[in-house]
Amino acid sequence: KNQVEQSPQSLIILEGKNCTLQCNYTVSPFSNLRWYKQDTGRGPVSLTIMTFSENTKSNGRYTATLDADTKQSSLHITASQLSDSASYICVVSARGRGYSSASKIIFGSGTRLSIRP
Amino acid sequence: GAGVSQSPRYKVAKRGQDVALRCDPISGHVSLFWYQQALGQGPEFLTYFQNEAQLDKSGLPSDRFFAERPEGSVSTLKIQRTQQEDSAVYLCASSLADRGSDTQYFGPGTRLTVL
Repeated sequence: KNQVEQSPQSLIILEGKNCTLQCNYTVSPFSNLRWYKQDTGRGPVSLTIMTFSENTKSNGRYTATLDADTKQSSLHITASQLSDSASYICVVSARGRGYSSASKIIFGSGTRLSIRP
Repeated sequence: GAGVSQSPRYKVAKRGQDVALRCDPISGHVSLFWYQQALGQGPEFLTYFQNEAQLDKSGLPSDRFFAERPEGSVSTLKIQRTQQEDSAVYLCASSLADRGSDTQYFGPGTRLTVL
């Protein structure tokens, strides 16, 4: 069964500190992996996307890594800011056959990150 | 508009009522998705359109859920005879082309509360 597991479920850190969020997946055949940020009351916004051949990608203070062999990804946030408080969702897409592979986009449950001043 | 918009933002329905949720995707985006997001969970896929064609509705939880996109732009998700378990945020997303490889742009969602 295609699954995406994220850890921790929630995390509280002090402003200015770094943190790393984890994502393990069993989606196959793998197409790509995205990290989304979802602020409270808003829709998710894409942060990074990585395909099989990429093992790291940065977007400002966000750096995502991918190990396709172990099927693990991480999102590292550097020098956290209060505005980083949000849910971070790992999304893995499987390569589908023809049109009907929309259901092969699997969302994790997210990690709820709270940044304290 | 600049992004995906959804209306209403909040909807309260009595159990048994029918509701209709609207999504305006980004102009020119071919693909449109509907998701259901329960509190504290990630979005769960409901259905997918490519232009006006509903290519995948495998995520619709029951035949009370119906979605349409008749002209390939605006989409409506209709829930008939709402139940309390339908309470959730309903997210709409659009992407420029093929949904597997393209970034999805999400709307703010409609929070449905069924009493």
